[in-house]
Amino acid sequence: GENVEQHPSTLSVQEGDSAVIKCTYSDSASNYFPWYKQELGKRPQLIIDIRSNVGEKKDQRIAVTLNKTAKHFSLHITETQPEDSAVYFCAASKGAQKLVFGQGTRLTINP
Amino acid sequence: DAGITQSPRHKVTETGTPVTLRCHQTENHRYMYWYRQDPGHGLRLIHYSYGVKDTDKGEVSDGYSVSRSKTEDFLLTLESATSSQTSVYFCAIGGQGETQYFGPGTRLLVL
Repeated sequence: GENVEQHPSTLSVQEGDSAVIKCTYSDSASNYFPWYKQELGKRPQLIIDIRSNVGEKKDQRIAVTLNKTAKHFSLHITETQPEDSAVYFCAASKGAQKLVFGQGTRLTINP
Repeated sequence: DAGITQSPRHKVTETGTPVTLRCHQTENHRYMYWYRQDPGHGLRLIHYSYGVKDTDKGEVSDGYSVSRSKTEDFLLTLESATSSQTSVYFCAIGGQGETQYFGPGTRLLVL
């Protein structure tokens, strides 16, 4: 079955700098890759997703890139703000069902 | 938040007792999911449903059963709770090939 590895497990950046979180997946049949943000004590919330027919997707300060050949995808957050501090999870699946999640990255934005 | 609720939100129970968690949606989505979240493991799929009375196992289904007798409700049952089932349980909903949206979570403590 699918296996998703996420790195780093913790990330600390200065406010205004960029943050990058990387995930690798094992099943070449996976074609849907969402990213979720989870604040302390809250539910995971989708922030961006990408399907395998595109290589990059942007939404304001957030972007996701996908390299199908290498089977990895990354989340890029630019101009980080204190409210970006949270735990971020990547996931992979075939067809958006049965998501397999990475272990999470705790992002801290230092003022 | 995507018309999805979970009950109870918190529960403390004793080892060996049965526990049922409820997920209720008002979005008429076909797919419903149960995940558990534990430190260091991200979110792991327990069971999911692709329609009324249609369910399937996820990666950590041992010790859990589910039922879906109507579109809006998906129940997760721990037949005989164990301390290893102490966790935060999230329900999610989604359409076929569509993004999953999470409920607020149920925090379960098994003593």
